[in-house]
Amino acid sequence: DAGITQSPRHKVTETGTPVTLRCHQTENHRYMYWYRQDPGHGLRLIHYSYGVKDTDKGEVSDGYSVSRSKTEDFLLTLESATSSQTSVYFCAISDVQATGEKLFFGSGTQLSVL
Amino acid sequence: DQQVKQNSPSLSVQEGRISILNCDYTNSMFDYFLWYKKYPAEGPTFLISISSIKDKNEDGRFTVFLNKSAKHLSLHIVPSQPGDSAVYFCANSGAGSYQLTFGKGTKLSVIP
Repeated sequence: DAGITQSPRHKVTETGTPVTLRCHQTENHRYMYWYRQDPGHGLRLIHYSYGVKDTDKGEVSDGYSVSRSKTEDFLLTLESATSSQTSVYFCAISDVQATGEKLFFGSGTQLSVL
Repeated sequence: DQQVKQNSPSLSVQEGRISILNCDYTNSMFDYFLWYKKYPAEGPTFLISISSIKDKNEDGRFTVFLNKSAKHLSLHIVPSQPGDSAVYFCANSGAGSYQLTFGKGTKLSVIP
């Protein structure tokens, strides 16, 4: 298995509070991604990173920010959590651009915003 | 607009029979088409892919077919096994893109 660790695995928080999810990799892969999975929507890209301090927005980036200060860590922050951000969040890594075969996912973080 | 469409949210198949999962796409510029498999409480895992220059790719019990004129992708699983029960996502990517675009997924249930 690819060395990807997401923390926490589960979190319950209240509306309006800040939340940070962490993705840690031991593969030294260049590219890192945050996806959310929701019923009826599949997997949607939130933000991605193509190197240290190099990040860009995905399809559903509103309300989220990211940071990547080290190759191995990619943080996703919800500045002020809302109920619509209740979801399962997946981190993914890859070392090859765009073909997809080498996109590896973490086990996910279940976030509930009450 | 959704670029990748999986119109069947669920599919039930008897063990040993063929499972056919379908996917339609709208953008002809995609270079690669992929299928990912996801079990509950786990992250998706890569299953099989196909380049846009091919029309078929086979890996054991799994075969992916690409019909570019119809903009249609299908995954065949033969024979289906109970362990194949999972959610299957089709996805595609284009050259120079950092992003995979995923469909909504189809939940396959293989009945023993």
